[in-house]
Amino acid sequence: QVQLVQSGAEVKKPGASVKVSCKASGYTFTSYDINWVRQATGQGLEWMAWMTPNSGNTGYAQKFQGRVTMTRNTSISTAYMELSSLRSEDTAVYYCARYYGSGGIRWFDSWGQGTLVTVSS
Amino acid sequence: QTVVTQESSFSVSPGGTVTLTCGLSSDSVSTNFHPSWYQLTPGQAPRTLVYSTNIRSSGVPDRFSGSILGNKAALTITGAQADDESDYYCVLFLGSGIWVFGGGTKLTVL
Repeated sequence: QVQLVQSGAEVKKPGASVKVSCKASGYTFTSYDINWVRQATGQGLEWMAWMTPNSGNTGYAQKFQGRVTMTRNTSISTAYMELSSLRSEDTAVYYCARYYGSGGIRWFDSWGQGTLVTVSS
Repeated sequence: QTVVTQESSFSVSPGGTVTLTCGLSSDSVSTNFHPSWYQLTPGQAPRTLVYSTNIRSSGVPDRFSGSILGNKAALTITGAQADDESDYYCVLFLGSGIWVFGGGTKLTVL
């Protein structure tokens, strides 16, 4: 079955960077885009970025442009999301999600379990 | 900047029907935006209820249904139950890989 397993919780200081991983299994990693969504403490869901693992092409929400970078290692079926210049408002649970887009249907059909990133001095 | 709008809160009686909506600040929502609806439970990944407007996700009870009502996407819960009390989020596909979530609706069942 399709599974996305994320790396563990992180605690970072303001100004630092964090890199969260998302390991895919149960399907061909390069056949589906990976997206990142976060839920900041007390806030709603926020879409951040997408990546096509086959090509490495990426797209980022305007809010995160210049601070977020998505990469991948296809040999181990893992996607990464790195967020830099962290501030307290970036304290959130970060989710990776597989994007399904075919036949007029588009949705996030599988989600990782979430990674809590805490930004604190 | 595109803003997706949702009611901040809603209340429904047990057994009642409620319709949550999802609009766009600058356009009408159509099926082209592939609206999805999620239920959020603390400590868990978002649960997909409906995607691409009206396709119910596997295992979701048929009391949840999605549609387009006027110029908005809608999630209707028919015969609300106590455990439907939760936060609900819609998300719209804007093209070029870009998605935008609404601010969420806190649903109370009482």
